Amino acid sequence: EDQVTQSPEALRLQEGESSSLNCSYTVSGLRGLFWYRQDPGKGPEFLFTLYSAGEEKEKERLKATLTKKESFLHITAPKPEDSATYLCAVQAPNTDKLIFGTGTRLQVFP
Amino acid sequence: DTAVSQTPKYLVTQMGNDKSIKCEQNLGHDTMYWYKQDSKKFLKIMFSYNNKELIINETVPNRFSPKSPDKAHLNLHINSLELGDSAVYFCASSQGPSGLQFFGPGTRLTVL
Repeated sequence: EDQVTQSPEALRLQEGESSSLNCSYTVSGLRGLFWYRQDPGKGPEFLFTLYSAGEEKEKERLKATLTKKESFLHITAPKPEDSATYLCAVQAPNTDKLIFGTGTRLQVFP
Repeated sequence: DTAVSQTPKYLVTQMGNDKSIKCEQNLGHDTMYWYKQDSKKFLKIMFSYNNKELIINETVPNRFSPKSPDKAHLNLHINSLELGDSAVYFCASSQGPSGLQFFGPGTRLTVL
């Protein structure tokens, strides 16, 4: 069964303290892995798509990487405005649906 | 300016009632989705329409019935509401079936 597991569930960081979020997946042939950001009371907002192992994408303080079994979202020198829940999702072959993980709730304190 | 909009934002109702949630997108996309996010923030696909045709129909009680009058609109009607239907419902859209989706602000449904 296709599955996505994210860790940790929650992460508290001091401003400027870099860290990584993990997304492990089991899927029979990956069509794409997606990272979304969700602020409280809002819908998820697309961040990155990764398609193959070794691929990396960057946006401001965020960098997403992909291996054959997991993806990492690295946050460098985070700021309080980076506080949000980060969701990972995979798109399996032969289906158009996204399978989401339960997310990592990130809090960055000044 | 709003890309994907949903109405209402909040919906409080009694068990057994019937209610509808509406979604509209002005992005020109041809694929729209309904998701349910439970209290633990787990987001799960319910339905998807591509060019008004149902393409994803997950294991959802048949009390839930989506309707797509045109490519820009996708509504969700729920009959005989139950306590377990309480959740946040998100509409999303994409250009073709894709993992790159644009989400609406959500509708928080509370069933008393």
